[in-house]
Amino acid sequence: GENVEQHPSTLSVQEGDSAVIKCTYSDSASNYFPWYKQELGKRPQLIIDIRSNVGEKKDQRIAVTLNKTAKHFSLHITETQPEDSAVYFCAASGGTSYDKVIFGPGTSLSVIP
Amino acid sequence: DAGVIQSPRHEVTEMGQEVTLRCKLISGHNSLFWYRQTMMRGLELLIYFNNNVPIDDSGMPEDRFSAKMPNASFSTLKIQPSEPRDSAVYFCASSLLGSASTEAFFGQGTRLTVV
Repeated sequence: GENVEQHPSTLSVQEGDSAVIKCTYSDSASNYFPWYKQELGKRPQLIIDIRSNVGEKKDQRIAVTLNKTAKHFSLHITETQPEDSAVYFCAASGGTSYDKVIFGPGTSLSVIP
Repeated sequence: DAGVIQSPRHEVTEMGQEVTLRCKLISGHNSLFWYRQTMMRGLELLIYFNNNVPIDDSGMPEDRFSAKMPNASFSTLKIQPSEPRDSAVYFCASSLLGSASTEAFFGQGTRLTVV
């Protein structure tokens, strides 16, 4: 089945700097890659997603890139703000897992004012 | 729609007791996921239903865990007997298979503490 790895597990950045979180997946047939943000004590919520027919997608300060050949995808947050502090999960879906969404272990991001 | 609704929000029980967690899907959604979240293991997929049918239960840790979906909008996750190591936050999430977006919408979670 699908296996998703995520790095780093923790990340601290100064406010205004950029943050990058990287993920790899194992099932080459996976075709949908969402990113979820989980604030302390709250539920995970989708912030951006990308499909395998697209190499990059941007939404304001957030961007995601996908390298299908290498089975890598990354989340980029620019001009970080304290409210960006949260745990971020990448996930992979589709392929042999069909609609099953498999999450990476998460990255705890701290933005220092 | 009120979104995915889970109950109870918090559950404290003694070891050996039966625990039942409940989940109401978003109206019209046809896929249901149960996840368990702990600091050590992150978000683990326990079981996945599509159109009320369990598709993959390979993540269910032991026979003590069972899940049902008696109708298209409701699911239960039962632990019998419960053990302290079952303490975690349990999330259910629903999505619409076949739609343009397969976003999984999460419920608020049930924080289970087994003492």
